[in-house]
Amino acid sequence: NAGVTQTPKFQVLKTGQSMTLQCAQDMNHEYMSWYRQDPGMGLRLIHYSVGAGITDQGEVPNGYNVSRSTTEDFPLRLLSAAPSQTSVYFCASSSGQGVHNEQFFGPGTRLTVL
Amino acid sequence: GENVEQHPSTLSVQEGDSAVIKCTYSDSASNYFPWYKQELGKRPQLIIDIRSNVGEKKDQRIAVTLNKTAKHFSLHITETQPEDSAVYFCAARSWAGSYQLTFGKGTKLSVIP
Repeated sequence: NAGVTQTPKFQVLKTGQSMTLQCAQDMNHEYMSWYRQDPGMGLRLIHYSVGAGITDQGEVPNGYNVSRSTTEDFPLRLLSAAPSQTSVYFCASSSGQGVHNEQFFGPGTRLTVL
Repeated sequence: GENVEQHPSTLSVQEGDSAVIKCTYSDSASNYFPWYKQELGKRPQLIIDIRSNVGEKKDQRIAVTLNKTAKHFSLHITETQPEDSAVYFCAARSWAGSYQLTFGKGTKLSVIP
């Protein structure tokens, strides 16, 4: 199993550009999440999904969209990039079988917005 | 929603000494408390977790304790080694609401040889 994969690993955008961060998992996990990690701020939840066709907002959703058309994929879209969105983005997944289950993280995408 | 506070933000210890990181949470419905280790440039990885019906759990040099009454839990690392140097995150998950993890802001542990 590849686990949780993310592409690209690095990305530089100009202010106002849009892009999609890709995330996929091959563990048949129901739950998938997107976090951003900024120095001194820990991991903050952007959006999450509890199954195909179901998404919801996390702590910091503004400026981001998500969709979940399949169990495997959970892309994150930046609609109009801003310098404040410069961050490291992690996708994560976990089994939906109860609350006591491990969350697995992808390798991350380092995004810089100029 | 849940709020998780983590202390200290940085911690330096001599190799062989013990390290303790403490977290508090606000939601009494939280009942799952994992700890993640993140090495520089890498993804967070689970090192140990504890459920609310357990007061303490050990795995070799790592242990976690939970006090549900006081709403705090701690990570204990004994006989620290240079490879323990990393950022450690605590988290909490509740039965209620979204079942999502809420993370603390992290502790940067440096083990000095």
